[in-house]
Amino acid sequence: KNQVEQSPQSLIILEGKNCTLQCNYTVSPFSNLRWYKQDTGRGPVSLTIMTFSENTKSNGRYTATLDADTKQSSLHITASQLSDSASYICVVSSNNAGNMLTFGGGTRLMVKP
Amino acid sequence: EPEVTQTPSHQVTQMGQEVILRCVPISNHLYFYWYRQILGQKVEFLVSFYNNEISEKSEIFDDQFSVERPDGSNFTLKIRSTKLEDSAMYFCASNTGTGAYGYTFGSGTRLTVV
Repeated sequence: KNQVEQSPQSLIILEGKNCTLQCNYTVSPFSNLRWYKQDTGRGPVSLTIMTFSENTKSNGRYTATLDADTKQSSLHITASQLSDSASYICVVSSNNAGNMLTFGGGTRLMVKP
Repeated sequence: EPEVTQTPSHQVTQMGQEVILRCVPISNHLYFYWYRQILGQKVEFLVSFYNNEISEKSEIFDDQFSVERPDGSNFTLKIRSTKLEDSAMYFCASNTGTGAYGYTFGSGTRLTVV
């Protein structure tokens, strides 16, 4: 069964600090891995997308890494801002006919002033 | 920037009633999806739709559910005889094609079954 597990479940940091979120997956066949940001009551918004051959990808203050051998990924947020408070979800796409996504449970990040 | 539009944003229905959730995918996208998120839980895949037919569906997507693309722009999810446990956020998504790079989610419909 395809699974995506994330840690920690929740995290509180002070504004301006950095943090790293973790993701482990067992999804087959693997197509790509993406990190989403989801504000409460809203749809997920894509931050980064990485294929099997990509080790790292940045989008502004967000940097994602992927180790396809160990099936692990991380999302590093630098110089956090209050607006970064949200759930960050690791999502793996399966290379099947429907391109369905398997979602992790997310890390709920709270940035405090 | 193109968006996936969902209506209504919030719907309350009585147990046993039928509901139709509506979505307008991005116009040049070819794949369409429904996902749901029960409060406090993971987002779960329901169904994918391509070329006017279901291409994949999860165990959740039983006979109670159906999808339709009644015209060139709308994509609907029908839930027959709603149950309390159907209460969730339902997200529509569309995608340009294989590879899933164009995946875009709507803002969701919050369904409350009372």
